[in-house]
Amino acid sequence: LAKTTQPISMDSYEGQEVNITCSHNNIATNDYITWYQQFPSQGPRFIIQGYKTKVTNEVASLFIPADRKSSTLSLPRVSLSDTAVYYCLVGAYNTDKLIFGTGTRLQVFP
Amino acid sequence: EPEVTQTPSHQVTQMGQEVILRCVPISNHLYFYWYRQILGQKVEFLVSFYNNEISEKSEIFDDQFSVERPDGSNFTLKIRSTKLEDSAMYFCASSEAGAPNTEAFFGQGTRLTVV
Repeated sequence: LAKTTQPISMDSYEGQEVNITCSHNNIATNDYITWYQQFPSQGPRFIIQGYKTKVTNEVASLFIPADRKSSTLSLPRVSLSDTAVYYCLVGAYNTDKLIFGTGTRLQVFP
Repeated sequence: EPEVTQTPSHQVTQMGQEVILRCVPISNHLYFYWYRQILGQKVEFLVSFYNNEISEKSEIFDDQFSVERPDGSNFTLKIRSTKLEDSAMYFCASSEAGAPNTEAFFGQGTRLTVV
């Protein structure tokens, strides 16, 4: 399974755009990149998934460069309720498990 | 929106006792999982279950742990003889296909405290 590296923590203010970058240098050809969000004492929640280029949904955008060795989760205009831990995961098609790292703890201030 | 439900939300048990954590996955999902998270630590994979059998398990999932889908809707995790270090949040999850390449839905968790 590809190892991921992301910042331990980030701070932002309400209304700002937040970009969290994850590096996954040994990503395999069939791996997808997935981001999850976790609030304290709750289960992780799927945010977005992509394979290449750009993916956008109602919550976030995911930017993946051509070499796929990194990805950036973009949260437009964050609010206090976006304060959470964000996990970048890279998974193999031939395994059922999600491997969570330590994630990025995002703190949004008023 | 469909959701994974877990019961109980909190469980306190004495060391050495057996506990059963219960989960109702989303009805049309085929893959089921248990994860745990010790306070302040990472979410750790325990086991995945597909087609009525374990498909993968971690080194944490030793002989003290077992899973079962007894009736086609519930998915349970049993810990036979609890230890202090089993104290954690236990999350059940389900997905339509294998988790890394599809969305996994997690329950709200059961907080297990072993005293």
